[in-house]
Amino acid sequence: GEQVEQLPSILRVQERSSASINCTYENSASNYFPWYKQEPGENPKLIIDIRSNMERKQIQGLIVLLDKKAKRFSLHITDTQPADSAMYFCAASRSGGSNYKLTFGKGTLLTVTP
Amino acid sequence: EAAVTQSPRNKVAVTGGKVTLSCNQTNNHNNMYWYRQDTGHGLRLIHYSYGAGSTEKGDIPDGYKASRPSQENFSLILELATPSQTSVYFCASGDRTGSYEQYFGPGTRLTVL
Repeated sequence: GEQVEQLPSILRVQERSSASINCTYENSASNYFPWYKQEPGENPKLIIDIRSNMERKQIQGLIVLLDKKAKRFSLHITDTQPADSAMYFCAASRSGGSNYKLTFGKGTLLTVTP
Repeated sequence: EAAVTQSPRNKVAVTGGKVTLSCNQTNNHNNMYWYRQDTGHGLRLIHYSYGAGSTEKGDIPDGYKASRPSQENFSLILELATPSQTSVYFCASGDRTGSYEQYFGPGTRLTVL
């Protein structure tokens, strides 16, 4: 199987600063790493993902880094805004064929203060 | 836009009772999933399915059964509900090709008294 550890569990930053969340995984065969954002009372939604053939991916103010040797990946939110306050989950998967399931980290509660 | 719906949205059950949570997706996705979300545990996979007629055990299947009678519908069944199964349950659908994104339903809050 797969185990994903996510840190920190709670993160508080000031508006316009950066926020970083780190995840590690165990299974070297994992090749797909998505990040989901969940606002209070809502369902999780995909915000960015990275596959094992990449080391870095950026979508606007979201940056994901992947270090396959260290089995570590991270989410960096630049120029944070109060609207970024939410729960964030990383996940890992060994995708391919018909066997595709995600293992999630336990989540990071991000609070961006004005 | 992907569409995954769940019913009921809220449910109060008694210990030992049978509970059925339903999920419907109109995305024509092959894969469907049931997760539970608890504070401090994140999202944990209970059962999943590759298509109509198939069900697979996830990481925490004990105490749960699943049924996939059609491409669109996936049910989670608690035959003998226990208070430890009090949680928020999310259904999700996803395709096995192209984008691997999973689309989540709105969730069902289950309380077992």
